[in-house]
Amino acid sequence: DIVLTQSPDSLAVSLGERTTINCKSSQNVLYSSNNKNYLAWHQQKPGQPPKLLINWASTRESGVPDRFSGSGSGTDFTLTISSLQAEDVAIYYCQQYFSFPFTFGQGTKLEI
Amino acid sequence: QVHLVESGGGLGKPGGSLRLSCAASGFTFSDYYMSWIRQVPGKGLEWISYISNSGNTVDYVDSVKGRFTISRDNDKNSLYLQMNSLRTEDTAVYFCVRQSPRPRSPAQYWGQGTLVTVSS
Repeated sequence: DIVLTQSPDSLAVSLGERTTINCKSSQNVLYSSNNKNYLAWHQQKPGQPPKLLINWASTRESGVPDRFSGSGSGTDFTLTISSLQAEDVAIYYCQQYFSFPFTFGQGTKLEI
Repeated sequence: QVHLVESGGGLGKPGGSLRLSCAASGFTFSDYYMSWIRQVPGKGLEWISYISNSGNTVDYVDSVKGRFTISRDNDKNSLYLQMNSLRTEDTAVYFCVRQSPRPRSPAQYWGQGTLVTVSS
């Protein structure tokens, strides 16, 4: 199974600041035939189900604010929030869909 | 809009059975791969099973293989998870998830989840 390791486990950031969350995969999730990274980012707010923010490592879902961006390729990926808002308090998970069982990182708890 | 509503959770005994259901609306159900993902309260996420749009292809994570069965009824826009030989470690919130029409795709939409508690 592909293991995803996120860092840090938690962080506290001031409003308006930029923050990054990292996700490292134990295996390459870049599919060479279409040059796509099978990596997504989800946001889970307290008491809610997760919500898909980004797929294919860098494609924002419709309606997701453009302060959220994803980058990386192969085994190393990053979620960046350019200017933290109060509503961004959540746990963020990376998720690979390259091979089943699809797996998630352990989560990064983001606080103000 | 996409709406997924799970039901069937509750208290189950070790060795017992439960059947979860998910009612889908707001999209053409028969076009999409569907899955079940679970989360132990306060812990991380585990993708436990998926089913193809036709229902002909399924797969399971090793921890539930041979005990859980995923199925769907495209006429009723419903997804199911038959859970047998329950273990205490199956205690979790179970989410119904819509993927895309393709097999390798992320969890695009999530239901609110239903809590399953396995205890004697």
